[in-house]
Amino acid sequence: DSGVTQTPKHLITATGQRVTLRCSPRSGDLSVYWYQQSLDQGLQFLIQYYNGEERAKGNILERFSAQQFPDLHSELNLSSLELGDSALYFCASSVAPGGYNEQFFGPGTRLTVL
Amino acid sequence: AQTVTQSQPEMSVQEAETVTLSCTYDTSENNYYLFWYKQPPSRQMILVIRQEAYKQQNATENRFSVNFQKAAKSFSLKISDSQLGDTAMYFCVLHNAGNMLTFGGGTRLMVKP
Repeated sequence: DSGVTQTPKHLITATGQRVTLRCSPRSGDLSVYWYQQSLDQGLQFLIQYYNGEERAKGNILERFSAQQFPDLHSELNLSSLELGDSALYFCASSVAPGGYNEQFFGPGTRLTVL
Repeated sequence: AQTVTQSQPEMSVQEAETVTLSCTYDTSENNYYLFWYKQPPSRQMILVIRQEAYKQQNATENRFSVNFQKAAKSFSLKISDSQLGDTAMYFCVLHNAGNMLTFGGGTRLMVKP
């Protein structure tokens, strides 16, 4: 158990819908990362937050948005869902940004868009 | 843009033997970190080993070691005394100074009894 929690574990929805994925970092970690793992795109870094502020942005679509709240939990919002958005979405946390800080991954949220 | 390439989609090794997974990368930066993560069938991502680009000494973690060749932009992972629990997908990851992370396509390793 990494100490990072993600809810829900599974999510099934239809095209065009909007969903919210939630991540609670390990106690004491201020930085949160979001990743997407799909069959055709592999693993991709989406976005990173540190203490409530966006620090780095990767291959995140405009239909997707994220935020980190004062209690440090983070939410990833996916809207106008398409079939290709079906993927495993991981959240990871670390004490601070930077490669010297180990990231601890949550178990992921499996999103299926029908 | 930075890229990470893992040229071996699948590999297999006999239990107790040694296997090397390859990774090459491209970046214009001088300061960065390289990682190997494993993803077993449970799908949990687990850090295996980390290398800081400014350190010439290769990182080691018990049975895991890397061969970091900065000039060649190569970062291979050697697993010694392979165990059944090493069966997993292995990802090579580049983390740059701007906190951008790039993953390789992964190598699926099967350890055979």
